[in-house]
Amino acid sequence: GQQVQQSPASLVLQEGENAELQCNFSSTATRLQWFYQHPGGRLVSLFYNPSGTKHTGRLTSTTVTNERRGSLHISSSQTTDSGTYFCATNSAGNKLTFGIGTRVLVRP
Amino acid sequence: NSKVIQTPRYLVKGQGQKAKMRCIPEKGHPVVFWYQQNKNNEFKFLINFQNQEVLQQIDMTEKRFSAECPSNSPCSLEIQSSEAGDSALYLCASSTGDQNTLYFGAGTRLSVL
Repeated sequence: GQQVQQSPASLVLQEGENAELQCNFSSTATRLQWFYQHPGGRLVSLFYNPSGTKHTGRLTSTTVTNERRGSLHISSSQTTDSGTYFCATNSAGNKLTFGIGTRVLVRP
Repeated sequence: NSKVIQTPRYLVKGQGQKAKMRCIPEKGHPVVFWYQQNKNNEFKFLINFQNQEVLQQIDMTEKRFSAECPSNSPCSLEIQSSEAGDSALYLCASSTGDQNTLYFGAGTRLSVL
């Protein structure tokens, strides 16, 4: 079945620093999504990005489908960016396969 | 922002007890998913619905869980006889359709003592 690998497993940033999170997946027949999980548990959808580059605020998602990889760039990090970031891929039926996440800590 | 509502936020049960959690999907979202997230951040798909019909479910769900999404009532997921290994965060998500992004609730954190 589909496999999703994320790196790094964790990241510590000083406020204001940039960061890039990586996601690699096993099948080209996929649609990539990025989620942020609050420390309390709620998963928030950040991007639905099957291919190309999308921006929202300080976040940029880039997906290169034929190379089976995606990335999430955080610019000018803030303490409120702390949490866990998941990439997930889905095939037909919208059943998602998640990576195990990148835990981000932004220090003031 | 997601408007998927899950209750309760926390649930504590003894082994062998039933554990029931509920989910109200976003209005107008006919597709509902349930996922289990363990303490190692591993997600497991449990079941999904389109309107009131089950689309897919894993073997564990079929054997040990009872799930439904009746019209005009919250969706529910119930473990018939809780086991220690069921301790996890249970996440409900809804969607407008097959190709669209999922919107998740805050989850129900189950602890089985």
